[in-house]
Amino acid sequence: SAVISQKPSRDICQRGTSLTIQCQVDSQVTMMFWYRQQPGQSLTLIATANQGSEATYESGFVIDKFPISRPNLTFSTLTVSNMSPEDSSIYLCSVDSGQGFNGYTFGSGTRLTVV
Amino acid sequence: EDKVVQSPLSLVVHEGDTVTLNCSYEVTNFRSLLWYKQEKKAPTFLFMLTSSGIEKKSGRLSSILDKKELFSILNITATQTGDSAVYLCAVEIQGAQKLVFGQGTRLTINP
Repeated sequence: SAVISQKPSRDICQRGTSLTIQCQVDSQVTMMFWYRQQPGQSLTLIATANQGSEATYESGFVIDKFPISRPNLTFSTLTVSNMSPEDSSIYLCSVDSGQGFNGYTFGSGTRLTVV
Repeated sequence: EDKVVQSPLSLVVHEGDTVTLNCSYEVTNFRSLLWYKQEKKAPTFLFMLTSSGIEKKSGRLSSILDKKELFSILNITATQTGDSAVYLCAVEIQGAQKLVFGQGTRLTINP
């Protein structure tokens, strides 16, 4: 199954600033997914990123707040813009594991704290 | 609205006990149900279930799906302290390649 390298692993940021999270996959994948996990909560899908097209955002998430880039089939970035303490969460990228479908593989996660 | 509900939300047992975690769902277009174990940040894949009544097994863990009653269970026998984690249930929506997650069950195994 695919292996995803996600960074940074964690960061503490000032409110009003932006953070870009990167995910690098060891194989080409069509779709990449970005999730948010707020403290004590489950995972919520932010958006789906296809290479060569605009990301598709879920209800409650907008491109101005969470711009996504997908320049090729192995890489994607998620930016958390104009951060507030409510953005403190774990952010995870995910891809389809492929090879007959054995679930979705997740990156190692980014723990973001906004102060 | 697609919904996945897990119970219990929290469970504390002693090492060696057997536990059963529950997951029920109401979704528009079901493709599969997945179980994950989350110890720190990244969920790790346990099982994917697509057909009713067929048990998936991996060591001390097993899971089964009931598509008529819209639920799944995850069993862990002879629990060990290393089983302590949050167990997540997710349903994949057909056509959307989208996962809808339940709230998770926080399992604590005491020695």
